[in-house]
Amino acid sequence: KAGVTQTPRYLIKTRGQQVTLSCSPISGHRSVSWYQQTPGQGLQFLFEYFSETQRNKGNFPGRFSGRQFSNSRSEMNVSTLELGDSALYLCASSLIANEKLFFGSGTQLSVL
Amino acid sequence: GQQVMQIPQYQHVQEGEDFTTYCNSSTTLSNIQWYKQRPGGHPVFLIQLVKSGEVKKQKRLTFQFGEAKKNSSLHITATQTTDVGTYFCAGKMRGSQGNLIFGKGTKLSVKP
Repeated sequence: KAGVTQTPRYLIKTRGQQVTLSCSPISGHRSVSWYQQTPGQGLQFLFEYFSETQRNKGNFPGRFSGRQFSNSRSEMNVSTLELGDSALYLCASSLIANEKLFFGSGTQLSVL
Repeated sequence: GQQVMQIPQYQHVQEGEDFTTYCNSSTTLSNIQWYKQRPGGHPVFLIQLVKSGEVKKQKRLTFQFGEAKKNSSLHITATQTTDVGTYFCAGKMRGSQGNLIFGKGTKLSVKP
């Protein structure tokens, strides 16, 4: 069974640009969550999707958005990038929302 | 707001010594989950505890969930160099849309 796939693995952007990250969950998993990981703040919850509906959203500005497609694949978008957005963005999928998460390898975003 | 506090932030041990990390929630949890992240890797699910007072073992790892379902601990007996990494607890909040809140993790280093 293939794991959670995130693309791209690394990304370098400049301030003001926007970025789209992609996540393909484990087959059969309908819940997809996104987390931002930084050394100082640990894992910060961004949002959670289930069957194309956003069910929970973390405390992040509106520049952070996401969506889920009918095949459960998910994307997250960050517009007007800031230096502080540099982080590892992790996607996780699960059978039941917020239980036994399977994480992808993440996308390391650097904003210059 | 809802918080999950985890201590200590860092732990350095000699190989063969024991290690414990503690997790405390500000509110009663639906369940507590533990994850391990190796250096350069992504979090990997270890275990989920659901019942009040539950104790589960995985080889040298012992996980406990408090009677009030607000605290948890992970104890590793006789650490090995393969135990190196950051251990995260994650508390699932009660309610139908229960958010999963991660502690900031305990980074374990093991000196051979």
